[in-house]
Amino acid sequence: GENVEQHPSTLSVQEGDSAVIKCTYSDSASNYFPWYKQELGKGPQLIIDIRSNVGEKKDQRIAVTLNKTAKHFSLHITETQPEDSAVYFCAASQGGYSTLTFGKGTMLLVSP
Amino acid sequence: SAVISQKPSRDICQRGTSLTIQCQVDSQVTMMFWYRQQPGQSLTLIATANQGSEATYESGFVIDKFPISRPNLTFSTLTVSNMSPEDSSIYLCSVGTGQGNQPQHFGDGTRLSIL
Repeated sequence: GENVEQHPSTLSVQEGDSAVIKCTYSDSASNYFPWYKQELGKGPQLIIDIRSNVGEKKDQRIAVTLNKTAKHFSLHITETQPEDSAVYFCAASQGGYSTLTFGKGTMLLVSP
Repeated sequence: SAVISQKPSRDICQRGTSLTIQCQVDSQVTMMFWYRQQPGQSLTLIATANQGSEATYESGFVIDKFPISRPNLTFSTLTVSNMSPEDSSIYLCSVGTGQGNQPQHFGDGTRLSIL
């Protein structure tokens, strides 16, 4: 089955810096890659997703890049703010009605 | 995106008892999912709940321990049976929207502690 590795497990940055979280996947049939943000006491919130027919997708300060050949994808957050502090999860699936496989999560801490 | 409500939001239970968690969605959805998130850990899929058919369980999870109901397209329940301290976790409901299962949106979960 699919295996998703996520790095780093924790990431500390200063407000205004950029943050990058990386994930690799094992199943070359995977074609859908969402990212979730989970704040304390809340459920995971979908923040951005990408399908394998594109290499990059942006939404304001957040971007995701995908390298299908290397089987890795990354989340980029620019101009970080304290409210970006949370646990971020990447996931992968084969799309359609396939299930999601999650990475182990990255705790992002943004210091003022 | 769909609005997903889970009840209860948290509970403390005695070992050996059972608890039923409810998940209500504000629109009709085909696929509903139940996940477990152990403290400080990632999300693990328990089962997929389809309306009108039996739930599909992932490896390591069985119907006797985690019976699921899906009576209509907006509601599902997960029961955690004969609970032990190892069942202390966050239980999350999610729904698939759009194309097939994706994207999935989650409720805020049920925080369960077993004494």
